[in-house]
Amino acid sequence: AQRVTQPEKLLSVFKGAPVELKCNYSYSGSPELFWYVQYSRQRLQLLLRHISRESIKGFTADLNKGETSFHLKKPFAQEEDSAMYYCALGSGSARQLTFGSGTQLTVLP
Amino acid sequence: ETGVTQTPRHLVMGMTNKKSLKCEQHLGHNAMYWYKQSAKKPLELMFVYSLEERVENNSVPSRFSPECPNSSHLFLHLHTLQPEDSALYLCASSREYGVRNTEAFFGQGTRLTVV
Repeated sequence: AQRVTQPEKLLSVFKGAPVELKCNYSYSGSPELFWYVQYSRQRLQLLLRHISRESIKGFTADLNKGETSFHLKKPFAQEEDSAMYYCALGSGSARQLTFGSGTQLTVLP
Repeated sequence: ETGVTQTPRHLVMGMTNKKSLKCEQHLGHNAMYWYKQSAKKPLELMFVYSLEERVENNSVPSRFSPECPNSSHLFLHLHTLQPEDSALYLCASSREYGVRNTEAFFGQGTRLTVV
């Protein structure tokens, strides 16, 4: 069965420091990986997906099939990056999303 | 309001009550979803509707009953819930069901408390 693991529930970094939010997945098929973000008092929304290979708000994520990882990275964190981040795996014929438990990122001034 | 709208935002109900959660989307999407987000647990997919037909039911107890009268509206009818059903219930929609790399658009959720 598919599974998504985000080992860090809480992560704090200082403004300007690099940040990496870890995500590992378990799936035997061809994975689709996403990062969703929820800012305070806002709805959950898509941040980026691996297929796009793009940088959104300075964030990038590379799918590493060998390590079954999809870590989210940003070289210089900003205070407005503080939010809850969820890694998600799309799988199966239905492309059902399986979410990780989330990482609360706090960027300190 | 555009996007996915859920009402009510907060709901407190007794175990013998019957209530309904409503979700509405104005994005022209064909697929709609109910998720449950409990404290300290990942989002759990409950139901999926595609073109008003239920296509997934992830072992959800019968005290939760979904209804999709048209592609823009989704309801979750609640009856004789338990305190452990207290959670944030999220509605989402996507353009199509079963398409690779499709983005899901979420509502802001209904915070349900069962007393």
